[in-house]
Amino acid sequence: GQQLNQSPQSMFIQEGEDVSMNCTSSSIFNTWLWYKQDPGEGPVLLIALYKAGELTSNGRLTAQFGITRKDSFLNISASIPSDVGIYFCAGYNYGQNFVFGPGTRLSVLP
Amino acid sequence: DTAVSQTPKYLVTQMGNDKSIKCEQNLGHDTMYWYKQDSKKFLKIMFSYNNKELIINETVPNRFSPKSPDKAHLNLHINSLELGDSAVYFCASSQARPDTQYFGPGTRLTVL
Repeated sequence: GQQLNQSPQSMFIQEGEDVSMNCTSSSIFNTWLWYKQDPGEGPVLLIALYKAGELTSNGRLTAQFGITRKDSFLNISASIPSDVGIYFCAGYNYGQNFVFGPGTRLSVLP
Repeated sequence: DTAVSQTPKYLVTQMGNDKSIKCEQNLGHDTMYWYKQDSKKFLKIMFSYNNKELIINETVPNRFSPKSPDKAHLNLHINSLELGDSAVYFCASSQARPDTQYFGPGTRLTVL
């Protein structure tokens, strides 16, 4: 079945630093999404991407839909302590199920 | 108001028991889902349910059965619980397309 890979698996950064993470697939997706999961909570949608090459921002977050449709990137600028959590990418093709990546665990050191 | 709610939040039970987890959404969504998140945080879809159409992930054992009394509710019943069923189970809902899913807070199931 379809699988997604996320890198890095985990990262420790200083408050104020910028963060980059990516998600890759061997299959093409028509929709890419990024979620954040806080401890003890369900995932929350951050950004949805619907078009190859699309670049979308949500506050300090920016995500891009890769041109090949096999990857996506998420950047967080000027990280703050509440950015801590697990960031999941997900791929979706209409009429098929969602596929989640394994997640990137972000820790922000004060 | 909570958009997607689940009960209970924690469930501890013995192997072999039968248990149910309830999910309710007040968003007026047409589609509801159950996900399993294991100890390594991998999220896998188990079921999606839209307008009485059930789509099952083929890897889910038939001990798991979703039941939808109405559009706002999708409960998960588990028979003969096994140790490997220990996980966090998330309910979610969306309009017809799943790309705008809202997740519930999760139910942490521990099988002893």
